[in-house]
Amino acid sequence: DADVTQTPRNRITKTGKRIMLECSQTKGHDRMYWYRQDPGLGLRLIYYSFDVKDINKGEISDGYSVSRQAQAKFSLSLESAIPNQTALYFCATSDLGEVTGELFFGEGSRLTVL
Amino acid sequence: GQNIDQPTEMTATEGAIVQINCTYQTSGFNGLFWYQQHAGEAPTFLSYNVLDGLEEKGRFSSFLSRSKGYSYLLLKELQMKDSASYLCAVMDSNYQLIWGAGTKLIIKP
Repeated sequence: DADVTQTPRNRITKTGKRIMLECSQTKGHDRMYWYRQDPGLGLRLIYYSFDVKDINKGEISDGYSVSRQAQAKFSLSLESAIPNQTALYFCATSDLGEVTGELFFGEGSRLTVL
Repeated sequence: GQNIDQPTEMTATEGAIVQINCTYQTSGFNGLFWYQQHAGEAPTFLSYNVLDGLEEKGRFSSFLSRSKGYSYLLLKELQMKDSASYLCAVMDSNYQLIWGAGTKLIIKP
């Protein structure tokens, strides 16, 4: 089983619908992140969390919200999806004690908003 | 502003050597990363450089020059499975990662 698991892997929805992407990890890492990836662009950080009580906005947080339900779980919500939120979304984790700050990514959730 | 530049696409031949360049302009520097991403898959960590010089790891090497804002990833003895996108990312003074758009590497037999 993957150390960082995302659900759903694929979702097609309509404009205005609420969508939740879930991420769970078995790596025991404190730090969790949500990124989106669009063709021709670098990964862009949406939100990140360094522990259960810590939530921070990233580069492109507008239109998104997150919840850190437990150390192992970090969910991303789109309250009212719009077509330009169509993208590939990645959850990632890192270990506070790892000097390199290496990120471990989930397999991605492909979201299409019609 | 902060930016990372790398070529959009490169083509190389199986068994050959290829160098993928990355130049960066960031607010501070706390390390440079290379990740590999196969189509439709998650990025996976390849290397981390924080000091100038060459880091070698098997067929892959990564070089950093902080004074020039420059890094390269060198792939030797190319294999078909090396066909992927290679992402350069820099950690800035706030320990935030700034990502390049990635270089798609195509390996031909």
